[in-house]
Amino acid sequence: DTGVSQNPRHKITKRGQNVTFRCDPISEHNRLYWYRQTLGQGPEFLTYFQNEAQLEKSRLLSDRFSAERPKGSFSTLEIQRTEQGDSAMYLCASSTVESRGHTQYFGPGTRLTVL
Amino acid sequence: SQQGEEDPQALSIQEGENATMNCSYKTSINNLQWYRQNSGRGLVHLILIRSNEREKHSGRLRVTLDTSKKSSSLLITASRAADTASYFCATPGQTGANNLFFGTGTRLTVIP
Repeated sequence: DTGVSQNPRHKITKRGQNVTFRCDPISEHNRLYWYRQTLGQGPEFLTYFQNEAQLEKSRLLSDRFSAERPKGSFSTLEIQRTEQGDSAMYLCASSTVESRGHTQYFGPGTRLTVL
Repeated sequence: SQQGEEDPQALSIQEGENATMNCSYKTSINNLQWYRQNSGRGLVHLILIRSNEREKHSGRLRVTLDTSKKSSSLLITASRAADTASYFCATPGQTGANNLFFGTGTRLTVIP
């Protein structure tokens, strides 16, 4: 079990640029989640996949955000035309339907700084 | 919006002392989870307590749940410097998608 991995760990970009983050879940996990966490706050849910299907999106996920999980394995989160308010830690988590109580396993996160 | 609210926001104790954190939530739940987050890192699942359970233990952790008061507490006994972290309670989303709603966290500092 190699755990959930995320790349890159840090990303600094200029306002208006596009960025893409990648998440590799635990291999047998069919559920994948994206969260955003700002300083001093708890994570906030963005979106959720079961296999390759994106089943839920939060209102936080503006039309500048898009997430994919094309083969039901890794996922990407793209932010277009970044704004300073997008600066945050982006966390990915995975779970299985069988996970007791649907415990989620988190990756280390990608810290985005928009200048 | 975040469902849970932890109390206190910050807690500083000496190594060896016990630390208690509280969480209040707003809606009915079928379980409540506690996670730990070391500075700048991802979250680690600590313990899950179901709505029909009142107390649960895991090593030095003790969690209680009072569904009538919509509150939970996390007790860490015999704290260690390595326990320094932020602690979050999390409850399932309302839509059944298993997304979690996190509180704002308690920042625990254990002084060696």
